Amino acid sequence: DAGVIQSPRHEVTEMGQEVTLRCKPISGHDYLFWYRQTMMRGLELLIYFNNNVPIDDSGMPEDRFSAKMPNASFSTLKIQPSEPRDSAVYFCASSDLGTTRFDNEQFFGPGTRLTVL
Amino acid sequence: KNQVEQSPQSLIILEGKNCTLQCNYTVSPFSNLRWYKQDTGRGPVSLTIMTFSENTKSNGRYTATLDADTKQSSLHITASQLSDSASYICVAVVSSGSARQLTFGSGTQLTVLP
Repeated sequence: DAGVIQSPRHEVTEMGQEVTLRCKPISGHDYLFWYRQTMMRGLELLIYFNNNVPIDDSGMPEDRFSAKMPNASFSTLKIQPSEPRDSAVYFCASSDLGTTRFDNEQFFGPGTRLTVL
Repeated sequence: KNQVEQSPQSLIILEGKNCTLQCNYTVSPFSNLRWYKQDTGRGPVSLTIMTFSENTKSNGRYTATLDADTKQSSLHITASQLSDSASYICVAVVSSGSARQLTFGSGTQLTVLP
């Protein structure tokens, strides 16, 4: 398996523009997570899905952020409108059910470095 | 308030030496504790996952310990290599029914010098 795939790897946009980040989880994994990492705040969990259903979005910072998982092999994180403080590295991760629900190892993608000017 | 504190913030050691990274957590109810290694420009990679009933877990030259009573964990790296230079992140997982909440430490930046 190619692992978790994210695109684009780098995104530079201007304030006010819409940004869409994409993620393809590892085949067979039924949990998908979106994280944000900044120097100031470290890693933060934004939202996670189980079997394509959002379970906890309490980490989503504002209504400008939205995430969808239309099928088991694809998820998007959208920011509209984007602001300079959204500049960060956004990671997607996936894990399988295993024997302990949610508590299995998470496999991270390479991340998308977002810069909002 | 759930918190995870890591120390030291940064550490420089010579290749071949051992080192220990510390993690203190204040989360409840505790589900499991994880250590991740994150190379510069890459996503985190899981090193160990331990539940409250596990005291120690090894992954090659990495050995994690967990004391659920004192809410402390450590990550010991044996015979360090240049490739161990990375950020090491401690994560405590809180369980509430079927929901989980992750609390992240700020990481320890390890530099291994030749």
